[in-house]
Amino acid sequence: EAGVTQFPSHSVIEKGQTVTLRCDPISGHDNLYWYRRVMGKEIKFLLHFVKESKQDESGMPNNRFLAERTGGTYSTLKVQPAELEDSGVYFCASSLLPGLNTDTQYFGPGTRLTVL
Amino acid sequence: AQSVTQPDIHITVSEGASLELRCNYSYGATPYLFWYVQSPGQGLQLLLKYFSGDTLVQGIKGFEAEFKRSQSSFNLRKPSVHWSDAAEYFCAVYAMEYGNKLVFGAGTILRVKS
Repeated sequence: EAGVTQFPSHSVIEKGQTVTLRCDPISGHDNLYWYRRVMGKEIKFLLHFVKESKQDESGMPNNRFLAERTGGTYSTLKVQPAELEDSGVYFCASSLLPGLNTDTQYFGPGTRLTVL
Repeated sequence: AQSVTQPDIHITVSEGASLELRCNYSYGATPYLFWYVQSPGQGLQLLLKYFSGDTLVQGIKGFEAEFKRSQSSFNLRKPSVHWSDAAEYFCAVYAMEYGNKLVFGAGTILRVKS
């Protein structure tokens, strides 16, 4: 069974440019999560989709970040315009059930974003 | 505010030696507790989790962790470390009252000396 995949693995852009990150969850997983790790800090929650709906976007830093999950399959996270502080590793995770009492979040390898 | 603390940023142990990685959390009730590992170029892999019941939980790769309510701790242990265990380890907590998301510690980088 394929795991969570993310594309690209690395992205280097200049301040003010736009970047789109993609996440393909495990097939059949309705729940999709985005997390971010800024250098040396903890991994922080960004948002949670249930199918195509945003269940919780309380962790999104500001309106330069836009996440979508059309059709309830893969998700994209767009940063426009990118700022220096957006640099970090963006992780995607998916799970079958919405609660964690019987389920686990499976993580992708992450996308390392560097904004120059 | 909720928090998860991993006090050791780096730990170096010799191959074959025992290992303990510390994790403390601050929540009112007993949360769900997890340890993940990230090897270079890989995603976060779940090592083990604690939801309820026996406070000593066994995980993959020979790891175990013990939940101690009185100390608000969930330390990860392994009796004999292998060179392949070199990676970054993350403690994470899920508490329902804070929403359907994991809260992570800052991570501990494990180096293994041969």
